[in-house]
Amino acid sequence: EVQLVQSGAEVKKPGESLKISCKGSGYRFTTNWIGWVRQMPGKGLEWMGIIFPSDSDTRYSPSFQGQVTISADKSITTAYLQWSSLKASDTAMYYCARQMGGVVDYWGQGTLVTVSS
Amino acid sequence: QSALTQPASVSGSPGQSITISCTGTSSDVGGYNYVSWYQQHPGKAPKLMIYDVSNRPSGVSNRFSGSKSGNTASLAISGLQAEDEADYYCSSFTSSSSRYVFGTGTKVTVL
Repeated sequence: EVQLVQSGAEVKKPGESLKISCKGSGYRFTTNWIGWVRQMPGKGLEWMGIIFPSDSDTRYSPSFQGQVTISADKSITTAYLQWSSLKASDTAMYYCARQMGGVVDYWGQGTLVTVSS
Repeated sequence: QSALTQPASVSGSPGQSITISCTGTSSDVGGYNYVSWYQQHPGKAPKLMIYDVSNRPSGVSNRFSGSKSGNTASLAISGLQAEDEADYYCSSFTSSSSRYVFGTGTKVTVL
């Protein structure tokens, strides 16, 4: 069974750093892209970027380029999304999701990130 | 990469049929047969309802169907039920470097 299990909710202060994780299991982790999706409170889904764990080829949507870093450790089948300096506007639910072929088929349960002073 | 365009809301009575449109460009919807549709209930992760324009994953009701014409894709829901009330998002593979794009989302209300 394909599963993507994300790390737990986080509460941070503006300016702090953060790295959240997404562990894949039940499929060949290295040969499927893993993407990250932001959903701000009451808003729609936004595609942030994607990584191919086999060679760490990483692509970002223009809105997120330079704002976050996506990485992966294929030895532990885990992808990461990190911020070096959080802002209040980073408060959102973040989902990881597997892209196989042209479809994003499996999703993690989501990680709620709250940034507040 | 701009989001695909969907109507903000669509409504219908139980038993009726509704259609949600999703308009993109030749770089995404029109260029690939990789359009997907997701259903999202409040507080839940999105659920894949349609992939590759018109295919249903196992377990998804056949009341849901997808199609595409040019740069516009559509999701049809027939025999509308109370449980269909949710947000729906289209998505597409794209030639842009980010590889994927979502629609703006449509709130479906069952009257």
